[in-house]
Amino acid sequence: GQQLNQSPQSMFIQEGEDVSMNCTSSSIFNTWLWYKQDPGEGPVLLIALYKAGELTSNGRLTAQFGITRKDSFLNISASIPSDVGIYFCAGQRYNQGGKLIFGQGTELSVKP
Amino acid sequence: EPEVTQTPSHQVTQMGQEVILRCVPISNHLYFYWYRQILGQKVEFLVSFYNNEISEKSEIFDDQFSVERPDGSNFTLKIRSTKLEDSAMYFCASSEPKPGELFFGEGSRLTVL
Repeated sequence: GQQLNQSPQSMFIQEGEDVSMNCTSSSIFNTWLWYKQDPGEGPVLLIALYKAGELTSNGRLTAQFGITRKDSFLNISASIPSDVGIYFCAGQRYNQGGKLIFGQGTELSVKP
Repeated sequence: EPEVTQTPSHQVTQMGQEVILRCVPISNHLYFYWYRQILGQKVEFLVSFYNNEISEKSEIFDDQFSVERPDGSNFTLKIRSTKLEDSAMYFCASSEPKPGELFFGEGSRLTVL
């Protein structure tokens, strides 16, 4: 089936540290996205990537679309307490009605 | 900023009952989706809807589920006869034709007893 493997599952870091998480797949995606989910809320789009090799930043967040189109990473620099939450990668293929396949999520805890 | 709104925020129902979850997508969006998230698990695709018909659905979206856009603004998910395992958070999402950029609502928590 269509699966994304996201790692790590959880991270406990000190405020100010940088964070890196990634997603891999056995098959190609045309679009990679990163979402953040706070408790009891819906996923919020952070970054969308459309081309292999693309590197995109959104404030302290940077994400890359892997050259093979089978992976992506998300970096958060200088973490702050409000970065706490669950981060999900999601992949999309053309001609699948816009369907997103989500990774299992990375739960981030930031200690002030 | 435009947003996807969902009602109810929480619904408790007895097994076997019908449930309708409602969504108002962002007004100029053309693609509509339902996803679900069982507590502590990843977000799973249920169905996508475009031009008044289903464009893609997952194996979870069986005959107990249906979607409808009854008017120009609402998008509904009906579960005909709920089962215990239908307990989850259900998220509505919408997007323009631009691929990938789905905007999610805050979710409707369904508890089946």
